[in-house]
Amino acid sequence: DAMVIQNPRYQVTQFGKPVTLSCSQTLNHNVMYWYQQKSSQAPKLLFHYYDKDFNNEADTPDNFQSRRPNTSFCFLDIRSPGLGDAAMYLCATSPGQGAYNEQFFGPGTRLTVL
Amino acid sequence: AQTVTQSQPEMSVQEAETVTLSCTYDTSESDYYLFWYKQPPSRQMILVIRQEAYKQQNATENRFSVNFQKAAKSFSLKISDSQLGDAAMYFCAFLEPQGGSEKLVFGKGTKLTVNP
Repeated sequence: DAMVIQNPRYQVTQFGKPVTLSCSQTLNHNVMYWYQQKSSQAPKLLFHYYDKDFNNEADTPDNFQSRRPNTSFCFLDIRSPGLGDAAMYLCATSPGQGAYNEQFFGPGTRLTVL
Repeated sequence: AQTVTQSQPEMSVQEAETVTLSCTYDTSESDYYLFWYKQPPSRQMILVIRQEAYKQQNATENRFSVNFQKAAKSFSLKISDSQLGDAAMYFCAFLEPQGGSEKLVFGKGTKLTVNP
């Protein structure tokens, strides 16, 4: 089945130790999104790629970076995680064209910062 | 900027009964999409139902239906014959078409409990 896959599902890192979260998709969608979701809150968009074009949200801290080496993969890099960065990180994709604008979500990676 | 408001942080319903979740939004646009997403305790976000603003007919997906009132900017979700598996966080979301690179604006969510 076509899907959005996130690895790992659970990630533990130490304060200040760089960490990379991975997202892959078999949907061949043009757009890939990264959201941060803290407990009992709505997802907050960090940034997204339309093909190779990177679009950063104005309030996304510089500590968060992203890479999209090809259509299928997108990475979230947290350069120096702080305790406040502990959250669920959701990856989503959308076709990016046509009338059907649904976003398809992965299962998320829960990040713990010690 | 668009905003989405879900005024019910928590709701509960008895199994087999009907529940309605409320959502209002604010936009100056005339062309947009509205969604209800479900996020069960396992945390994967799943689309429940979508509504195109240009369509007057309310969307329906099996036991899920919406009451879309464009003038009032209201988009409520009705769940009929509630099942234990319907227990989840429900997020209302707004999307304005932007040539493919659209952003979802989420409400804060409603936690639905289904009582056996």
